[in-house]
Amino acid sequence: DGGITQSPKYLFRKEGQNVTLSCEQNLNHDAMYWYRQDPGQGLRLIYYSQIVNDFQKGDIAEGYSVSREKKESFPLTVTSAQKNPTAFYLCASSIWESSGANVLTFGAGSRLTVL
Amino acid sequence: AQTVTQSQPEMSVQEAETVTLSCTYDTSESNYYLFWYKQPPSRQMILVIRQEAYKQQNATENRFSVNFQKAAKSFSLKISDSQLGDTAMYFCAFGGGGSEKLVFGKGTKLTVNP
Repeated sequence: DGGITQSPKYLFRKEGQNVTLSCEQNLNHDAMYWYRQDPGQGLRLIYYSQIVNDFQKGDIAEGYSVSREKKESFPLTVTSAQKNPTAFYLCASSIWESSGANVLTFGAGSRLTVL
Repeated sequence: AQTVTQSQPEMSVQEAETVTLSCTYDTSESNYYLFWYKQPPSRQMILVIRQEAYKQQNATENRFSVNFQKAAKSFSLKISDSQLGDTAMYFCAFGGGGSEKLVFGKGTKLTVNP
């Protein structure tokens, strides 16, 4: 079945540590996205990528980094510079349409907790 | 910049009844897309319905329909014959209008009661 796989589902981190969240898709989608979800805040875009080896900052990119070396993979690193990293992280992908008609397919999410 | 507002943080409805979730948005563009996404307790987001701004006809998907009022910049979601499985967070989203990114509202938590 085609879809998006995020791992791990739950992750605990000590302050000062970097962690990497994995996102893999087998939908042959060009575009991939990372969102952060906090209670009462909706979804906020961290980074997105339209093609391999290219990505753009979203609205809350500070303290995060990404790479897009393969079409199917878009890992997110939460660095120690992110002051409040405890959140639910969602990865998504879509066929890229500059018109804004992109229908996103989401992964099941990763819950990061900083101890 | 486009903004999306969902004014109802929480709603509840009895099973088999109809409920309407509100969404308003702000844009100066004429061509854009509007979406409703559902996030059940499992946290897996799925698309419920999509509306193209240049289409006059309101989109429908089975028990889900929208009331798209372009002049009023309103995009409400109506769920008919509510089922327990409709219990979820519902997010309204705006796409296009010169931006490559989707803008999401803060969500409405819907509970369907037996």
